[in-house]
Amino acid sequence: AQSVTQPDIHITVSEGASLELRCNYSYGATPYLFWYVQSPGQGLQLLLKYFSGDTLVQGIKGFEAEFKRSQSSFNLRKPSVHWSDAAEYFCAVGGLRGNQGGKLIFGQGTELSVKP
Amino acid sequence: DGGITQSPKYLFRKEGQNVTLSCEQNLNHDAMYWYRQDPGQGLRLIYYSQIVNDFQKGDIAEGYSVSREKKESFPLTVTSAQKNPTAFYLCASSTPPGLHTGELFFGEGSRLTVL
Repeated sequence: AQSVTQPDIHITVSEGASLELRCNYSYGATPYLFWYVQSPGQGLQLLLKYFSGDTLVQGIKGFEAEFKRSQSSFNLRKPSVHWSDAAEYFCAVGGLRGNQGGKLIFGQGTELSVKP
Repeated sequence: DGGITQSPKYLFRKEGQNVTLSCEQNLNHDAMYWYRQDPGQGLRLIYYSQIVNDFQKGDIAEGYSVSREKKESFPLTVTSAQKNPTAFYLCASSTPPGLHTGELFFGEGSRLTVL
């Protein structure tokens, strides 16, 4: 069965420190992978996506993610965290529409807190 | 500006009442989705629709109903049969690239509280 796992429910980092949020997926075909960010009480905003090609993907707000097929992972990174990055982050996987209807499967989310 | 509009943003309901959440998009997207979000559980798919006049159940469709009479609109009704309806509801749309899943564009959400 397709699934997405974000092992860390809550992470706290200091402002200016580097960040890595983990995402592991289980998917029977070539996956399309996404990272979204959500501020409290708001909708989700796309940070970046991987469809094919270069496995290191650049996104908005200085984020990047690396697709590692051998590890079934798509971890999100940022070299220097800003206080405004505090939010909840969701990893999602999709693929061939077929009988999946084009839907995305989301992980449980990782809440990021930033210490001054 | 193109986008997805959900209304109302906050809604209170008494037990036993049906409520309808509105979702309108002007992105000319074919596919629309309803997700439910609960703390610590991520997003769970309720219903989705790939074209007008067609929709499919997602993972947690029980107690919910939808319609898709227009491309722009995909309202969700939370019925009295939904046992735990208090949640944050998110509507999304997408234009999948060919046969594959495309990115989703989300509305700002509607928070439903049952009193």
